[in-house]
Amino acid sequence: DVKVTQSSRYLVKRTGEKVFLECVQDMDHENMFWYRQDPGLGLRLIYFSYDVKMKEKGDIPEGYSVSREKKERFSLILESASTNQTSMYLCASSFRGYNEQFFGPGTRLTVL
Amino acid sequence: AQSVTQLDSQVPVFEEAPVELRCNYSSSVSVYLFWYVQYPNQGLQLLLKYLSGSTLVKGINGFEAEFNKSQTSFHLRKPSVHISDTAEYFCAVSVNQAGTALIFGKGTTLSVSS
Repeated sequence: DVKVTQSSRYLVKRTGEKVFLECVQDMDHENMFWYRQDPGLGLRLIYFSYDVKMKEKGDIPEGYSVSREKKERFSLILESASTNQTSMYLCASSFRGYNEQFFGPGTRLTVL
Repeated sequence: AQSVTQLDSQVPVFEEAPVELRCNYSSSVSVYLFWYVQYPNQGLQLLLKYLSGSTLVKGINGFEAEFNKSQTSFHLRKPSVHISDTAEYFCAVSVNQAGTALIFGKGTTLSVSS
């Protein structure tokens, strides 16, 4: 089975802190994605990556950055966390040439 | 650009009743279509997908969906729901190109009661 894991299920941080959310997949997928999920807004794409060291902005990249140094790992970075970044963050991965995405369990981030 | 509209934000239904969750999409090119389910405090799980071929697609847990190109719709149906089907359901679309990102609808909360 494809497995996508996220480093934390729940995270509480203070305004202004630097926050790292880690995602690891074990199926050798080329593509990896970060979404945030908010009630009534569905899933919105923050960043995605088609290959190691490659990244593309999604619909809402402001306030976020990403890092992909290894194929299996995709990190989302909040350089200076703000209260409006309180949300559920979902990581996903897929094979190149195949659009079905596999999701991790999510990280619920609260910024105080 | 592509977009997805889920026409109902909440659908309450009684156990063993049929249900339809509606999804319309907009795209000027051919698309792939997906339905995902999210149970409370979990990630998303693929229910079914349409890539090509037969327009009636069967998925897990007794769900099915029909791709209607003329109506640009991909409605999800189940003939008889269970309490355990209570969850949030997301329709998603991507263009017919390898490796592109999915665009999600805002979700429909299905609440099944006894």
